[in-house]
Amino acid sequence: DAKTTQPPSMDCAEGRAANLPCNHSTISGNEYVYWYRQIHSQGPQYIIHGLKNNETNEMASLIITEDRKSSTLILPHATLRDTAVYYCIVRVNQAGTALIFGKGTTLSVSS
Amino acid sequence: GAVVSQHPSWVICKSGTSVKIECRSLDFQATTMFWYRQFPKQSLMLMATSNEGSKATYEQGVEKDKFLINHASLTLSTLTVTSAHPEDSSFYICSARVAGGDNEQFFGPGTRLTVL
Repeated sequence: DAKTTQPPSMDCAEGRAANLPCNHSTISGNEYVYWYRQIHSQGPQYIIHGLKNNETNEMASLIITEDRKSSTLILPHATLRDTAVYYCIVRVNQAGTALIFGKGTTLSVSS
Repeated sequence: GAVVSQHPSWVICKSGTSVKIECRSLDFQATTMFWYRQFPKQSLMLMATSNEGSKATYEQGVEKDKFLINHASLTLSTLTVTSAHPEDSSFYICSARVAGGDNEQFFGPGTRLTVL
């Protein structure tokens, strides 16, 4: 079973920041938070992951609360191409452990 | 970044026939590959975990005799859907983990299977 809770859908205006929340209140100390996205009819694309510190890369920022029970993925300047299903996944960083996908959040970016 | 390819990208077959889907890691070696299935408007469901040179581990409810997985090399895993039926029509996605890496999973583009 997925260990995360995400809103089913969100809307965002092009050029604005998209803030996607994720609740993972039962996360264990050795579990990482991963974010992937899936554009329609494509394979999932890795975005970012973190353990407890905030992380930033060229795609997005990941903000993890101090108690690690929730996190927020931030797309600083959303574009139409960011329209996709975004999945928040918690997983131990261990060889052979698969990513288990929940229902994700469908982000719709409009002009 | 690491690239995973799948072949074919889409396939249509008649009921009762078998279909083989290939998953290749193009620029890295993958000790572990994973196979997922995705029905329309649903999330990805893990079908099996495949380790190079050993038998695959199937998730509960996935028939191992129907979905044959072979991972004979560090760059290739195949999924064969045997005696396919219309209910097997789905989007099949593989992913691969870099050998010796930090356990990142890279996904293929998926294969759309339609069984008539």
